[in-house]
Amino acid sequence: DTAVSQTPKYLVTQMGNDKSIKCEQNLGHDTMYWYKQDSKKFLKIMFSYNNKELIINETVPNRFSPKSPDKAHLNLHINSLELGDSAVYFCASSQRGLAGRLGSYEQYFGPGTRLTVT
Amino acid sequence: GNSVTQMEGPVTLSEEAFLTINCTYTATGYPSLFWYVQYPGEGLQLLLKATKADDKGSNKGFEATYRKETTSFHLEKGSVQVSDSAVYFCALKAGTALIFGKGTTLSVSS
Repeated sequence: DTAVSQTPKYLVTQMGNDKSIKCEQNLGHDTMYWYKQDSKKFLKIMFSYNNKELIINETVPNRFSPKSPDKAHLNLHINSLELGDSAVYFCASSQRGLAGRLGSYEQYFGPGTRLTVT
Repeated sequence: GNSVTQMEGPVTLSEEAFLTINCTYTATGYPSLFWYVQYPGEGLQLLLKATKADDKGSNKGFEATYRKETTSFHLEKGSVQVSDSAVYFCALKAGTALIFGKGTTLSVSS
């Protein structure tokens, strides 16, 4: 059983197009995330949703719009794709837990979506 | 702010050599600390974690101890195998999201 799944695994598209990446988790977690991994392997948080509510929104161009239809899904839509958007995008999920114990709950990652913009 | 610094790679070792990958952190409060591993072409997997000072996380022969006095969480393994070749990420979690170090590539040859 796949815990965190993403589709598609690979996405090649041209500049200016609009594309979406889908993420689903079957772990019963209440918090989901999108991370971006650049060509140097550096990972950075983009967004986080808790029970469909946006709780983290890092400095990301507004061409990126996350959407969470329910707590098991977090999709990422990207408008007007640019060359610099080429990266691997990872979805993750965790159980947020009680206040004061936020830090201990581990995150489970999906296999990643390699986006190439030409 | 919160940040993680880990040693630059790549690290190249022969099989059965001893491994240390250094990781230090800056954080407010008391973060949880993690090591994640990314095998070629795959996503991240949690390798081990520690949630408070002096905790030792261990898994698959790897271990790391949460050292509050030196703000460190160095990863060690006594005898590496070719199958350990991967990218290793140190991370901290002080709120909701993980903050990662830049990753260290380990290459083990037979």
